[in-house]
Amino acid sequence: DTAVSQTPKYLVTQMGNDKSIKCEQNLGHDTMYWYKQDSKKFLKIMFSYNNKELIINETVPNRFSPKSPDKAHLNLHINSLELGDSAVYFCASSQGSSYNEQFFGPGTRLTVL
Amino acid sequence: AQSVSQHNHHVILSEAASLELGCNYSYGGTVNLFWYVQYPGQHLQLLLKYFSGDPLVKGIKGFEAEFIKSKFSFNLRKPSVQWSDTAEYFCAVNAVRGGKLIFGQGTELSVKP
Repeated sequence: DTAVSQTPKYLVTQMGNDKSIKCEQNLGHDTMYWYKQDSKKFLKIMFSYNNKELIINETVPNRFSPKSPDKAHLNLHINSLELGDSAVYFCASSQGSSYNEQFFGPGTRLTVL
Repeated sequence: AQSVSQHNHHVILSEAASLELGCNYSYGGTVNLFWYVQYPGQHLQLLLKYFSGDPLVKGIKGFEAEFIKSKFSFNLRKPSVQWSDTAEYFCAVNAVRGGKLIFGQGTELSVKP
């Protein structure tokens, strides 16, 4: 059973397109996150939701819009994709705030051409 | 602002060699500390964590880490590495009041058989 799952695993698209990445966790956690890992493997948090409420919103272009329909799901929609958006996007979840252990999904490798 | 620094970008060892990966953070308050590992093509997995108590913590696969508060350090160690330890290692820190998990830039470990 996959604890944190993401779809799709790979996403190749043209500049200017709109795309979504989905994340689901079956751990019963109440907090979910989106991270971006750049080409140098640097991981940075983008968003965090607790019980469907946004609690962390880093300096991310407003082309990125997270949505949490329920505690188990956190989706990421990206409008007007740019070359610089190419990265691996990781979803994660934890129980309570981020000072508890976070469980990561397998990642979505986004390539913008 | 919080930051995490990992001393080595790329470490190359032969099997059975001892490993120590450095991690320093900048934050004066109470912190929770983590080491995550990312095997090639896989998601991040927790190796070990420190919340409080004994500053020497043991994790999975024979890894351990020592929290030295006076040095703001949380170095990862393993007495004898194996080829299967080849991976990217990330140190991460969460200031209990800060609400965000901050990652270091990662250290790539290559173990030669």
